[in-house]
Amino acid sequence: KQEVTQIPAALSVPEGENLVLNCSFTDSAIYNLQWFRQDPGKGLTSLLLIQSSQREQTSGRLNASLDKSSGRSTLYIAASQPGDSATYLCAVRDTGNQFYFGTGTSLTVIP
Amino acid sequence: EAQVTQNPRYLITVTGKKLTVTCSQNMNHEYMSWYRQDPGLGLRQIYYSMNVEVTDKGDVPEGYKVSRKEKRNFPLILESPSPNQTSLYFCASGQRETTYNEQFFGPGTRLTVL
Repeated sequence: KQEVTQIPAALSVPEGENLVLNCSFTDSAIYNLQWFRQDPGKGLTSLLLIQSSQREQTSGRLNASLDKSSGRSTLYIAASQPGDSATYLCAVRDTGNQFYFGTGTSLTVIP
Repeated sequence: EAQVTQNPRYLITVTGKKLTVTCSQNMNHEYMSWYRQDPGLGLRQIYYSMNVEVTDKGDVPEGYKVSRKEKRNFPLILESPSPNQTSLYFCASGQRETTYNEQFFGPGTRLTVL
């Protein structure tokens, strides 16, 4: 069974800092990996999806990388802003079409 | 507007009283799924459906039922709710094709079972 881990569980940084969030998974047989953002009391917003054959994807200040063989993904956020404060979740879609989520990293960007 | 809708958004009920949480999407997606989110455990998949009349168990299916009679709807049924089913529930949808397609989530349903 796939296990997805996110480290750290919580992170607090000053505004303007670049930061990296980590996601690891135990089984490399995946179709894709998706990063989400969740604001308190709200649903999930999709940020980036990386196909299993890709190494990275970029959207604005966000860059996600994937190393399938080592079971790792990182989400890089450049020039962080207070509006980036949220919980960030990664999820993998395995080859059985099930999704497995990490428990998330709670990010606070201090003005 | 492309969206996944869930109803109700909040529900308080008592043990044993059957309930249904509805989920509907307007994006013509084949894949639909239900999750529950609990503190410290993250999101866990309950059931998913690859297409009409096709449903499969996720990680935590016990105590839940689903049906997929139409492409756009995927209701979650709790025949006899218990307090350990108190949770935040999310419905999601996406294209069936596996590699390229994202999941889109509904706003969530907060269920309390007394």
